[in-house]
This record gives sequence, structure tokens and C-alpha cells, in this order.
Amino acid sequence: VTLKESGPVLVQPTETLTLTCIVSGFSLSDPRLGVGWIRQPPGKALEWLAYIFSNDEKFYRKSLKNRLTISKDTSKGQVVLTMTNVDPVDTATYYCARGTLEGGFDYWGQGNLVTVSS
Amino acid sequence: QSALTQPASVSGSPGQSITISCTGTNSDVGGYNYVSWYQQHPGKAPKLVIYDVTKRPSGVSNRFSGSKSGNTASLTISELQAEDEADYYCSSYTSSSTVFGTGTKVTVL
Repeated sequence: VTLKESGPVLVQPTETLTLTCIVSGFSLSDPRLGVGWIRQPPGKALEWLAYIFSNDEKFYRKSLKNRLTISKDTSKGQVVLTMTNVDPVDTATYYCARGTLEGGFDYWGQGNLVTVSS
Repeated sequence: QSALTQPASVSGSPGQSITISCTGTNSDVGGYNYVSWYQQHPGKAPKLVIYDVTKRPSGVSNRFSGSKSGNTASLTISELQAEDEADYYCSSYTSSSTVFGTGTKVTVL
């Protein structure tokens, strides 16, 4: 099982951030599993952002719900997170991870450090 | 979705046992038996070491154990080793989301 994030390293304030997670070793249609996005600002704690289950049910962090969209392409093994209107406070390493909201995340990608700056 | 509260740091000598607490509310930790713990070494992705309060994923040392009482969950690391020096985060399910803890830095003296 592997997950790998890809996306920009630098994003301008007010722009839209798009991150892609490519998974292998398991199927995004596995009825027991889903994929989540978690971020970690430099030197700070983990923060859960969004989650998509195998049946396409989606869940979002309440405080960011109006800025986040999560989607998946099962045939390509990809999960995409978009975040609109980014701000310097969104500077963080963004991780995708396999698992469930209840049982935790058992496999994680290496992370994609995104800096929001003009 | 306030973060769960963890002590900023815990330390111990090799061979000792340490316990990290994770305090939430009856809407998260106290309301469900869905607490997970993660170990994170500097510059690395988190690694799941405990899920469902007490269960260990395959391959995780049995020196790691979890428990819960009321709104507080705990992670105990027994026979502390140098490789256990890392940051540790708890997380809990809560109403169609999950919340992480503030993180604890474990130092092996």
C-alpha cells in the first residue's frame, strides 16, 4: 500500500490549491476504507481536513467546509483536494492517508509542503 | 472542533515506562471507543500505533498500549527505548469528523 501526494510547492494568496493523492496497493472502491487529507503547519500539530469514503460520501472540517472540495477517480486511483482562497496561514505539509474516521489512518503519504506567499 | 489536550512534553529514561494523556469531551473521546495514537519522527509522516483505544496494528511493538477512562485516553510506552523519541498525537472520532490532539514530544533521557 502506498499513497503519494503531488501539488504545488508555492501558491499565491487568494488562489486555489489543488492537491492530488495517487494510491496503489488497495482500491478506492474497497467498502471498508476511504482516504483523508490531514495537514500540519510547520512546527505545529496535525489537523484533519477532509475525508472521502468508498461510496463517495464526503466529510469536511466544519471551519473550512466552504473552502474545501474532496473528490476521487476510482479508475485512476486518485483522490483530489481543492482549497479555495488560500492564505499564508494555510502554509503546511499536506498529507493524504488511508483509513476511516473512526479507526484512524494506517497508511500515509510522504507529505507535500505547500507555502502560501506572494 | 477544538483540539484534544495533550501535555507538551513527557520524558523518561531508557527502560522506564511513560504515559501520555489525551483529554477531550463527551462529544469525542468520552463518547466513542474510537481513539487512535500516532508516532511522528522529525520530517516523517505519522505512523499509527494504536487504534480503537487499545488495538495495535500489525508490526507495532507490544510496548505500546492504550486505554481510556471517561473523557481521557492514555498511551503508555513501556521499556522506553531511544527510538521512541518522537512526537505523539492522539485522535478521536467525533460526529462525522475526526479531531487530533495538540501533540506531545517524548524525550528519552
